[in-house]
Amino acid sequence: QSALTQPPSASGSPGQSVTISCTGTSSDVGGYNYVSWYQQHPGKAPKLMIYEVSKRPSGVPDRFSGSKSGNTASLTVSGLQAEDEADYYCSSYAGSNNFDVFGTGTKVTVL
Amino acid sequence: QITLKESGPTLVKPTQTLTLTCTFSGFSLSTSGVGVGWIRQPPGKALEWLALIYWNDDKRYSPSLKSRLTITKDTSKNQVVLTMTNMDPVDTATYYCAHRTSYYPYAFDIWGQGTMVTVSS
Repeated sequence: QSALTQPPSASGSPGQSVTISCTGTSSDVGGYNYVSWYQQHPGKAPKLMIYEVSKRPSGVPDRFSGSKSGNTASLTVSGLQAEDEADYYCSSYAGSNNFDVFGTGTKVTVL
Repeated sequence: QITLKESGPTLVKPTQTLTLTCTFSGFSLSTSGVGVGWIRQPPGKALEWLALIYWNDDKRYSPSLKSRLTITKDTSKNQVVLTMTNMDPVDTATYYCAHRTSYYPYAFDIWGQGTMVTVSS
């Protein structure tokens, strides 16, 4: 099972929006509506930001939104803030044999 | 409040077996829909999903590591144990355990702080 593909980096100025893509296949991202997104600050554990493609857990700002089209999922962070600077990872269910697969990760920089 | 904490050796030698314990509180692994998973992250690299065990003892493993991994649970002790055989320097990583619930399908909503394991002779 190969990792999902994410761009290595993305950036934006405070107040702007940034969108991160997560590309898989029809066996994972395209086949199920079980894409999650995690935020990870340096030296910290990941934090769940989005589940089931576009749902936000309680406490996650609505500046974070998710979507999916075909085999590619996306995370958009609107109104960028300094604290949004972090690594972001997508994850997808990949069927009962492969189960879960993570993305390659994207470093978001707030300029 | 749900918390998880990983414990185990910080240094193992090549070919040895690694045993990690995840001790948790705030939930029961006998509750329907609940699971605990293990994820690792080599220094400076991406997350890698390793294994997962559910309340009903259903176990899932990464296909690429399946032959080396075993996951078990002790519901009475609120612990999940992961063993990985034949350790190699490429297995050097921070190992996390994380909580899964049917409220957040196929996601990990709460993570432990992680434990760093170095494989070196």
